[in-house]
Amino acid sequence: DGGITQSPKYLFRKEGQNVTLSCEQNLNHDAMYWYRQDPGQGLRLIYYSQIVNDFQKGDIAEGYSVSREKKESFPLTVTSAQKNPTAFYLCASSIGLGQLNTEAFFGQGTRLTVV
Amino acid sequence: AQKVTQAQTEISVVEKEDVTLDCVYETRDTTYYLFWYKQPPSGELVFLIRRNSFDEQNEISGRYSWNFQKSTSSFNFTITASQVVDSAVYFCALSGATGFQKLVFGTGTRLLVSP
Repeated sequence: DGGITQSPKYLFRKEGQNVTLSCEQNLNHDAMYWYRQDPGQGLRLIYYSQIVNDFQKGDIAEGYSVSREKKESFPLTVTSAQKNPTAFYLCASSIGLGQLNTEAFFGQGTRLTVV
Repeated sequence: AQKVTQAQTEISVVEKEDVTLDCVYETRDTTYYLFWYKQPPSGELVFLIRRNSFDEQNEISGRYSWNFQKSTSSFNFTITASQVVDSAVYFCALSGATGFQKLVFGTGTRLLVSP
Protein backbone atom coordinates (compact mmCIF):
# COMPACT_ATOMS: atom_id res chain seq x y z
CA ASP A 1 0.00 0.00 0.00
CA GLY A 2 1.22 3.50 -0.78
CA GLY A 3 1.38 5.93 2.07
CA ILE A 4 3.35 7.71 4.75
CA THR A 5 4.82 5.90 7.71
CA GLN A 6 5.83 7.70 10.86
CA SER A 7 7.69 6.08 13.69
CA PRO A 8 7.56 5.69 16.55
CA LYS A 9 3.93 6.34 17.42
CA TYR A 10 4.83 7.39 20.95
CA LEU A 11 8.14 8.82 22.07
CA PHE A 12 9.37 9.90 25.46
CA ARG A 13 12.31 12.19 25.83
CA LYS A 14 14.25 13.35 28.81
CA GLU A 15 14.99 17.03 29.04
CA GLY A 16 18.23 17.93 27.29
CA GLN A 17 18.11 15.04 24.85
CA ASN A 18 17.81 15.19 21.10
CA VAL A 19 15.33 12.82 19.47
CA THR A 20 14.66 11.99 15.85
CA LEU A 21 11.24 11.28 14.40
CA SER A 22 11.10 9.16 11.29
CA CYS A 23 8.96 9.82 8.22
CA GLU A 24 9.01 7.62 5.13
CA GLN A 25 6.78 7.81 2.08
CA ASN A 26 6.41 5.49 -0.91
CA LEU A 27 4.13 7.76 -2.91
CA ASN A 28 6.99 9.14 -5.05
CA HIS A 29 6.10 12.63 -3.88
CA ASP A 30 8.63 15.43 -4.23
CA ALA A 31 7.40 17.61 -1.38
CA MET A 32 7.41 16.67 2.29
CA TYR A 33 6.40 18.58 5.39
CA TRP A 34 6.54 18.48 9.16
CA TYR A 35 3.71 19.95 11.23
CA ARG A 36 3.30 20.34 14.94
CA GLN A 37 -0.14 20.07 16.51
CA ASP A 38 -0.96 21.47 19.93
CA PRO A 39 -4.39 21.47 21.54
CA GLY A 40 -6.44 24.43 20.36
CA GLN A 41 -3.76 25.68 17.97
CA GLY A 42 -4.29 23.65 14.87
CA LEU A 43 -1.31 22.62 12.77
CA ARG A 44 1.79 24.74 12.45
CA LEU A 45 4.48 24.19 9.84
CA ILE A 46 7.96 23.36 11.14
CA TYR A 47 9.95 22.57 7.98
CA TYR A 48 9.23 21.62 4.42
CA SER A 49 11.20 20.21 1.53
CA GLN A 50 10.36 20.64 -2.12
CA ILE A 51 13.03 18.33 -3.42
CA VAL A 52 15.88 16.09 -2.31
CA ASN A 53 18.77 17.92 -0.63
CA ASP A 54 16.70 21.05 -0.15
CA PHE A 55 14.53 22.18 2.75
CA GLN A 56 13.09 25.42 4.10
CA LYS A 57 12.08 26.68 7.51
CA GLY A 58 8.42 26.96 8.25
CA ASP A 59 6.74 29.11 10.87
CA ILE A 60 8.19 27.46 13.97
CA ALA A 61 11.56 25.99 12.97
CA GLU A 62 13.51 27.03 16.06
CA GLY A 63 14.77 24.04 18.00
CA TYR A 64 14.22 21.62 15.13
CA SER A 65 16.37 20.29 12.30
CA VAL A 66 15.70 18.14 9.26
CA SER A 67 17.48 16.42 6.40
CA ARG A 68 16.36 15.25 2.98
CA GLU A 69 19.01 12.90 1.66
CA LYS A 70 16.52 10.60 -0.03
CA LYS A 71 13.25 11.37 -1.78
CA GLU A 72 11.29 9.00 0.41
CA SER A 73 12.67 10.09 3.78
CA PHE A 74 12.37 13.32 5.77
CA PRO A 75 13.44 12.81 9.40
CA LEU A 76 12.85 15.50 12.01
CA THR A 77 15.21 16.02 14.95
CA VAL A 78 13.84 17.74 18.02
CA THR A 79 16.84 19.27 19.70
CA SER A 80 17.40 20.25 23.29
CA ALA A 81 16.98 23.86 22.16
CA GLN A 82 13.27 23.31 21.62
CA LYS A 83 11.81 24.69 24.82
CA ASN A 84 8.43 23.01 24.73
CA PRO A 85 8.66 19.90 22.56
CA THR A 86 5.70 17.99 23.98
CA ALA A 87 3.25 17.83 21.08
CA PHE A 88 1.82 15.71 18.31
CA TYR A 89 3.98 15.73 15.17
CA LEU A 90 2.57 15.04 11.73
CA CYS A 91 4.51 14.38 8.55
CA ALA A 92 2.94 14.96 5.16
CA SER A 93 3.80 14.76 1.50
CA SER A 94 2.38 16.07 -1.75
CA ILE A 95 3.21 15.81 -5.41
CA GLY A 96 4.91 19.18 -5.22
CA LEU A 97 6.58 20.98 -8.08
CA GLY A 98 4.55 21.13 -11.25
CA GLN A 99 1.41 19.97 -9.51
CA LEU A 100 0.65 22.88 -7.28
CA ASN A 101 -1.67 22.65 -4.37
CA THR A 102 -2.75 19.09 -4.68
CA GLU A 103 -3.89 17.53 -1.50
CA ALA A 104 -1.32 16.54 1.07
CA PHE A 105 -1.19 13.01 2.47
CA PHE A 106 -0.49 12.66 6.17
CA GLY A 107 1.09 10.04 8.35
CA GLN A 108 -0.48 8.85 11.60
CA GLY A 109 1.71 11.06 13.70
CA THR A 110 4.18 10.76 16.57
CA ARG A 111 3.22 11.87 20.03
CA LEU A 112 6.31 13.21 21.78
CA THR A 113 6.33 13.68 25.54
CA VAL A 114 9.13 15.20 27.57
CA VAL A 115 9.57 13.50 30.92
CA ALA B 1 -1.06 37.22 5.43
CA GLN B 2 -3.32 34.27 5.14
CA LYS B 3 -5.57 33.20 7.97
CA VAL B 4 -8.27 30.59 8.57
CA THR B 5 -10.78 30.90 11.38
CA GLN B 6 -12.87 28.04 12.68
CA ALA B 7 -14.86 29.67 15.45
CA GLN B 8 -16.58 26.48 16.60
CA THR B 9 -14.24 24.66 18.95
CA GLU B 10 -16.54 21.71 19.59
CA ILE B 11 -19.96 20.64 18.38
CA SER B 12 -22.06 17.86 19.84
CA VAL B 13 -24.98 16.35 17.96
CA VAL B 14 -27.11 13.26 18.12
CA GLU B 15 -26.90 10.75 15.32
CA LYS B 16 -28.97 11.63 12.23
CA GLU B 17 -28.85 15.34 12.91
CA ASP B 18 -27.42 17.62 10.26
CA VAL B 19 -24.42 19.70 11.28
CA THR B 20 -22.54 22.57 9.66
CA LEU B 21 -18.91 23.38 10.37
CA ASP B 22 -17.96 26.97 9.67
CA CYS B 23 -14.77 28.19 8.03
CA VAL B 24 -13.87 31.81 7.35
CA TYR B 25 -10.65 32.72 5.59
CA GLU B 26 -8.54 35.76 4.86
CA THR B 27 -6.20 36.19 1.92
CA ARG B 28 -5.02 38.91 -0.41
CA ASP B 29 -4.49 36.46 -3.24
CA THR B 30 -6.98 36.42 -6.06
CA THR B 31 -6.24 32.79 -6.77
CA TYR B 32 -6.12 30.37 -3.89
CA TYR B 33 -7.20 26.91 -2.77
CA LEU B 34 -9.36 25.81 0.13
CA PHE B 35 -9.33 22.40 1.74
CA TRP B 36 -11.11 20.37 4.38
CA TYR B 37 -9.39 17.56 6.26
CA LYS B 38 -10.75 15.09 8.80
CA GLN B 39 -8.67 13.90 11.75
CA PRO B 40 -10.13 10.75 13.32
CA PRO B 41 -8.91 9.53 16.72
CA SER B 42 -6.15 7.54 15.01
CA GLY B 43 -4.40 10.86 14.29
CA GLU B 44 -3.75 11.06 10.57
CA LEU B 45 -5.41 13.79 8.54
CA VAL B 46 -7.67 12.56 5.78
CA PHE B 47 -8.24 14.76 2.75
CA LEU B 48 -11.91 15.53 2.05
CA ILE B 49 -12.03 18.25 -0.58
CA ARG B 50 -10.06 20.90 -2.44
CA ARG B 51 -11.72 23.89 -4.07
CA ASN B 52 -10.08 26.66 -6.10
CA SER B 53 -11.14 30.26 -5.78
CA PHE B 54 -12.67 30.42 -9.24
CA ASP B 55 -15.11 27.62 -8.62
CA GLU B 56 -17.94 28.73 -6.37
CA GLN B 57 -20.24 25.87 -7.18
CA ASN B 58 -21.39 23.96 -4.17
CA GLU B 59 -20.26 20.36 -4.03
CA ILE B 60 -21.97 17.30 -2.68
CA SER B 61 -20.36 13.97 -1.97
CA GLY B 62 -22.71 11.52 -0.33
CA ARG B 63 -23.68 12.95 3.05
CA TYR B 64 -21.07 15.69 2.78
CA SER B 65 -21.61 19.05 1.13
CA TRP B 66 -19.61 22.22 0.90
CA ASN B 67 -20.78 25.80 0.46
CA PHE B 68 -18.14 28.20 -0.90
CA GLN B 69 -19.05 31.90 -0.84
CA LYS B 70 -16.35 34.36 -1.88
CA SER B 71 -18.56 37.31 -0.91
CA THR B 72 -18.34 36.29 2.74
CA SER B 73 -14.94 34.51 2.52
CA SER B 74 -16.50 31.35 3.82
CA PHE B 75 -16.16 27.67 2.98
CA ASN B 76 -18.63 25.82 5.19
CA PHE B 77 -18.97 22.07 5.48
CA THR B 78 -22.26 20.30 6.16
CA ILE B 79 -22.74 16.69 7.18
CA THR B 80 -26.25 15.43 6.58
CA ALA B 81 -27.68 12.69 8.77
CA SER B 82 -24.58 12.50 10.93
CA GLN B 83 -23.23 9.16 12.10
CA VAL B 84 -21.07 8.15 15.04
CA VAL B 85 -18.21 7.49 12.60
CA ASP B 86 -18.23 11.18 11.71
CA SER B 87 -16.84 11.97 15.15
CA ALA B 88 -13.46 13.59 14.53
CA VAL B 89 -11.67 16.90 14.39
CA TYR B 90 -12.21 18.73 11.13
CA PHE B 91 -9.73 21.23 9.77
CA CYS B 92 -10.23 23.88 7.14
CA ALA B 93 -7.06 25.00 5.32
CA LEU B 94 -5.99 27.58 2.76
CA SER B 95 -3.08 27.88 0.35
CA GLY B 96 -2.03 30.32 -2.32
CA ALA B 97 -1.72 29.30 -5.94
CA THR B 98 1.51 30.80 -7.18
CA GLY B 99 4.84 29.17 -6.62
CA PHE B 100 5.26 26.67 -3.84
CA GLN B 101 2.62 27.25 -1.21
CA LYS B 102 2.16 25.85 2.25
CA LEU B 103 -1.14 25.02 3.85
CA VAL B 104 -2.45 27.39 6.52
CA PHE B 105 -4.77 25.56 8.87
CA GLY B 106 -7.58 26.69 11.11
CA THR B 107 -7.64 25.53 14.71
CA GLY B 108 -10.11 22.77 13.96
CA THR B 109 -13.61 21.87 15.10
CA ARG B 110 -14.17 18.75 17.17
CA LEU B 111 -17.40 17.01 16.20
CA LEU B 112 -18.94 14.56 18.64
CA VAL B 113 -21.80 12.46 17.32
CA SER B 114 -23.57 10.43 19.95
CA PRO B 115 -25.88 7.50 19.27
